[in-house]
Amino acid sequence: DIQLTQSPSFLSASVGDRVTITCRAGQGIGSYFAWYQQKPGKTPKLLIYAASTLQRGVPSRFSGSGSGTEFTLTISSLQPEDFATYYCQQLNTYPPALAFGGGTTVEIK
Amino acid sequence: QVQLVQSGAEVKKPGSSVKVSCKASGGTFSSYALTWVRQAPGQGLEWVGGISPLFSAANYAQKFQGRVTITTDESTSTSYMELNSLRYDDTAVYYCARDVGGFEAFDVWGQGTMLSVSS
Repeated sequence: DIQLTQSPSFLSASVGDRVTITCRAGQGIGSYFAWYQQKPGKTPKLLIYAASTLQRGVPSRFSGSGSGTEFTLTISSLQPEDFATYYCQQLNTYPPALAFGGGTTVEIK
Repeated sequence: QVQLVQSGAEVKKPGSSVKVSCKASGGTFSSYALTWVRQAPGQGLEWVGGISPLFSAANYAQKFQGRVTITTDESTSTSYMELNSLRYDDTAVYYCARDVGGFEAFDVWGQGTMLSVSS
């Protein structure tokens, strides 16, 4: 199975901070890369797809970038409602398989 | 706006099987990828398998190969995930999700189905 290494696994930050989360894939991939936010007891929420496309309704402080084997999610100015766990996800096309990163929990400093 | 409604919580014994349903209301699965993801208590997201227009058949995570079957009935807009030979560590919330449209990224999620495997 494909491996996605997400870092850091835990992050303590303050409101207003700029936050960056990185995801490294074990092999080069195409554009099928996404980021999700999940709060306790809730279903995951799609933030970014195709590596850098902001999902409808997601605030513009969220952005995604990267290609090949390294991708990043950036929150430009952390808001109280952003404290959550974030997951990266990719599709490998051969053999067909999805994978999720291990998650990054963002907590209040 | 499409919603995905999953079947209710299940309690199963080790070695048995479970079949979870996921019904789309207000929309369909047709031409969209549909995936199943699970989340064990306090753990991260884990892909189980899915059906995508990109591929000719359902695809499954290697660790579930031979134990899981995912099907879709387009006439009723319902997807099913059947998991066999249940083990204690299959205890998790199982989610179905539909993709945003051609990008294998999932913007519509079911509410989740809690599966507890216990003797």
